[in-house]
Amino acid sequence: GAVVSQHPSRVICKSGTSVKIECRSLDFQATTMFWYRQFPKQSLMLMATSNEGSKATYEQGVEKDKFLINHASLTLSTLTVTSAHPEDSSFYICSAREQVTGELFFGEGSRLTVL
Amino acid sequence: GENVEQHPSTLSVQEGDSAVIKCTYSDSASNYFPWYKQELGKRPQLIIDIRSNVGEKKDQRIAVTLNKTAKHFSLHITETQPEDSAVYFCAAEDRPLSYDKVIFGPGTSLSVIP
Repeated sequence: GAVVSQHPSRVICKSGTSVKIECRSLDFQATTMFWYRQFPKQSLMLMATSNEGSKATYEQGVEKDKFLINHASLTLSTLTVTSAHPEDSSFYICSAREQVTGELFFGEGSRLTVL
Repeated sequence: GENVEQHPSTLSVQEGDSAVIKCTYSDSASNYFPWYKQELGKRPQLIIDIRSNVGEKKDQRIAVTLNKTAKHFSLHITETQPEDSAVYFCAAEDRPLSYDKVIFGPGTSLSVIP
């Protein structure tokens, strides 16, 4: 099947710094990518829908200035957690929708720990 | 918008027994219902899906049933094995009209006891 690569898989940063997470579709083009946040033993909470060449659509309650999303090409979307704080520590997962079949493929996830 | 509920939240079964997870959805326009399996610390992976024009689909030990009238669908795992232990998520989508966001159910943590 199609592959979505997410990087980094783990990141530890100091409070107040910014962290960028990349999500790449390796063997297909994705006009739409999604970013999720997942707390331990909980579901995938959709944060935003990333559309290539346009602004991301954020879910209610998600601060767009806090979680910057850029979808610069058909294979790359980035999530930047700005001025990270300990409460931002979480598992972030991206997914990409394959254009032809519509199937959703997930990245490996990125575990962010803010000290 | 779509709302997906899932039950139970946790499920423990003895190895070899069957496991059933149920989901309900709210949007009658939804016509595609995937199930994902997520092992601890790993990405969710699609294990089976069903479209609204069929009532049941089976793939080896896994089956999914759909009742469009009642707006619910279920995942059935037979002859469970320890490697089936994971969190399972259901979802409901409206395809192909809208390749829109996917809303997942809250998940079911399945433990298969050897």
